[in-house]
Amino acid sequence: DVKVTQSSRYLVKRTGEKVFLECVQDMDHENMFWYRQDPGLGLRLIYFSYDVKMKEKGDIPEGYSVSREKKERFSLILESASTNQTSMYLCASMTSSEQFFGPGTRLTVL
Amino acid sequence: QQQVKQSPQSLIVQKGGISIINCAYENTAFDYFPWYQQFPGKGPALLIAIRPDVSEKKEGRFTISFNKSAKQFSLHIMDSQPGDSATYFCAASLDFRDDKIIFGKGTRLHILP
Repeated sequence: DVKVTQSSRYLVKRTGEKVFLECVQDMDHENMFWYRQDPGLGLRLIYFSYDVKMKEKGDIPEGYSVSREKKERFSLILESASTNQTSMYLCASMTSSEQFFGPGTRLTVL
Repeated sequence: QQQVKQSPQSLIVQKGGISIINCAYENTAFDYFPWYQQFPGKGPALLIAIRPDVSEKKEGRFTISFNKSAKQFSLHIMDSQPGDSATYFCAASLDFRDDKIIFGKGTRLHILP
């Protein structure tokens, strides 16, 4: 059974902190994605990766960076968290036509 | 530029009724149109998908209708049940190219018991 896991379900951080969100998939997929989900705005793509050590900017990359050192793991990094980054963060991995999502991390930045 | 437009943003339907969610796309190169379903506290999951070589696809109570000339497609949920209450996302992609999926903004569906 396909599985995408995210390191935390809920996270509370303070403004200016460096935040790491981890995502692991067990399907040997090459493509992985990070989205944020906000009411009325749907799923917005932050970054994606086609392979280890490769990354591509999505629609809203500002304030974020990513790391993909191993095929199964894709990390999202908030270098200096701000209150407007309070959101639900969803990780996904992808086969040829289907994305498999993790359960999400609800991040609150105070 | 929003490539996939979805409406309505929210929808309330009586139990047993038909729920209809509409989407329109702009890029004629899209050739794969999935719908994702998301329950509260969960990530989205693929519900049903269609390719433009057919005008309709049905899986149980869920049907996708596709109009290639109008660049529109819709999800119909027949005999809607309270368990169908969820957020639904339409999407489009270039199939078999390992490309990213373009999502609509989502429709929050609530089925009244």
